Amino acid sequence: AQTVTQSQPEMSVQEAETVTLSCTYDTSESDYYLFWYKQPPSRQMILVIRQEAYKQQNATENRFSVNFQKAAKSFSLKISDSQLGDAAMYFCAYERGYGGSQGNLIFGKGTKLSVKP
Amino acid sequence: DGGITQSPKYLFRKEGQNVTLSCEQNLNHDAMYWYRQDPGQGLRLIYYSQIVNDFQKGDIAEGYSVSREKKESFPLTVTSAQKNPTAFYLCASSMVGGRETQYFGPGTRLLVL
Repeated sequence: AQTVTQSQPEMSVQEAETVTLSCTYDTSESDYYLFWYKQPPSRQMILVIRQEAYKQQNATENRFSVNFQKAAKSFSLKISDSQLGDAAMYFCAYERGYGGSQGNLIFGKGTKLSVKP
Repeated sequence: DGGITQSPKYLFRKEGQNVTLSCEQNLNHDAMYWYRQDPGQGLRLIYYSQIVNDFQKGDIAEGYSVSREKKESFPLTVTSAQKNPTAFYLCASSMVGGRETQYFGPGTRLLVL
């Protein structure tokens, strides 16, 4: 079974600085998708970024970028120029790319990010 | 505005009672999902539906039931068989089941009296 591990329960960053959140996953599949979701205090899950495993190029979305290392099964999120509004729980998620369980997201336990002014 | 709505925002359940959580979407998405979130945990999949009148169990389906009679609606019933129902419940939808990003509703907080 696939698993997702986020080894940093809490992280802190100074406003305008850069922070990297770690995520590793375990799978025997070659085709899959990876996501980072943000959960602010309102608790609504918001998509931050998505990566297809077959793409070697790392996904980027404005100040958010990932470092996808397929062989190492690592998928870290880098937040540049951190803003106060970035403070939230961040969840890494894995989705199978084929087979009957498509659409099943497997989540890590999350990293709580604090941003200091 | 297109989106996903969940109601109620808070729900209280008495012992032995069944309660139903509502999830509606106007995004014209085919697939819908229910997740449960416990404190300090990530989300876990309860049920999902890739098409009307069809649904599959997720990882923690015991004590829950669903229906999918309409494309835009996917209600979740928490039955009396679910012995530890206190949690935050999130509904999501995607264009199709798999390979598409899931978008989430605002959630329902269920508490047991």
